Amino acid sequence: GAVVSQHPSWVICKSGTSVKIECRSLDFQATTMFWYRQFPKQSLMLMATSNEGSKATYEQGVEKDKFLINHASLTLSTLTVTSAHPEDSSFYICSARFPPPAGNTEAFFGQGTRLTVV
Amino acid sequence: AQSVTQLGSHVSVSEGALVLLRCNYSSSVPPYLFWYVQYPNQGLQLLLKYTTGATLVKGINGFEAEFKKSETSFHLTKPSAHMSDAAEYFCAVSDQGGTASKLTFGTGTRLQVTL
Repeated sequence: GAVVSQHPSWVICKSGTSVKIECRSLDFQATTMFWYRQFPKQSLMLMATSNEGSKATYEQGVEKDKFLINHASLTLSTLTVTSAHPEDSSFYICSARFPPPAGNTEAFFGQGTRLTVV
Repeated sequence: AQSVTQLGSHVSVSEGALVLLRCNYSSSVPPYLFWYVQYPNQGLQLLLKYTTGATLVKGINGFEAEFKKSETSFHLTKPSAHMSDAAEYFCAVSDQGGTASKLTFGTGTRLQVTL
């Protein structure tokens, strides 16, 4: 299957700093990428849908000024956690879909990024 | 709106025993259904999916699932569990509305395989 690479796989940062997480589709172009957050022993919660060349669509309750998403190319989307606090510590996972018409039949996931804010 | 219910947050089976992980969905439109597996500190790997056609879907690692519209279910099964099957399993539903279709996940079922 297609490969989605997420970097870094883990990061520790100080409270108040910003952290950028990259999500790349390595062997296909993804017009749409998704960012999820997963708390320990819980399911994945969709944070936002990242659209190449346009603004991301955020889910209700997700602060768009805190979680900045940029989808500048068909193979790269970034999530920046700004002014991170300990409560932002979580596992962040991205996924990408194929372009139409096959795009809605499968999503490929990155390996996730564990963020710890101290 | 769509939703997924996974009955049983934790399932334990003996090695070689049948694995049955339950998933029920709610959707106002014909759904696409997925099962994903997640190993600790890793992303999700697709096990199998139902889009259209045959309702019994076979996936990787010997898993299969059957789409039952009348029961709004998509239960995951494997005839004989292996130690390597121990992981978290997520059922997900999507509508058929294009590339921006969102996946809605269930709360997950942790499968434990014992000797």
